[in-house]
Amino acid sequence: DQQVKQNSPSLSVQEGRISILNCDYTNSMFDYFLWYKKYPAEGPTFLISISSIKDKNEDGRFTVFLNKSAKHLSLHIVPSQPGDSAVYFCAASGTGNTGKLIFGQGTTLQVKP
Amino acid sequence: SAVISQKPSRDICQRGTSLTIQCQVDSQVTMMFWYRQQPGQSLTLIATANQGSEATYESGFVIDKFPISRPNLTFSTLTVSNMSPEDSSIYLCSVGGISGANVLTFGAGSRLTVL
Repeated sequence: DQQVKQNSPSLSVQEGRISILNCDYTNSMFDYFLWYKKYPAEGPTFLISISSIKDKNEDGRFTVFLNKSAKHLSLHIVPSQPGDSAVYFCAASGTGNTGKLIFGQGTTLQVKP
Repeated sequence: SAVISQKPSRDICQRGTSLTIQCQVDSQVTMMFWYRQQPGQSLTLIATANQGSEATYESGFVIDKFPISRPNLTFSTLTVSNMSPEDSSIYLCSVGGISGANVLTFGAGSRLTVL
């Protein structure tokens, strides 16, 4: 039972354009959502997060949107850069700082120069 | 954020053998977490390692298969016992961040291939 799903295994965009990565979840008890970026041979790196009490969080070129009614979140990268090419994981957690994150399968983003 | 070193970075193992992965953190942390990423799959939490107590395992993972040690606040080991090809995965050590235990910092991972 996949509680966090990233339905697009890959995405290709042109440098300078917007990248939109999507994530769906099934558990309404999730109250914190995170995006991680992973380069080959490296561990995932935290990118941005959002609490369930918000619908948007912005950090520089990265914005995460949360639609609780649709159980959907998205990561927008504007403008996209070739260095953004990586695997992006969406993750969710329940209440409390347990360290237990439920991850999606990841989306491979390729930004073409 | 914490800096995490894992050893080995990769290894090729024979079926039936065991391998211990080491995780060293550059600061003292209460909880350390071990995750697994099977090929083409998402990351899955194996267990939480607390210093001075038994590790807490997630559903589907057992201590006999994945024994964990946590001798102090900066170090932990995960052993993958009696390996089979299904254990071929990336094993990742992680710790919670200053802004909350759920903002995890990960090590680079240990890629195990079992033949």
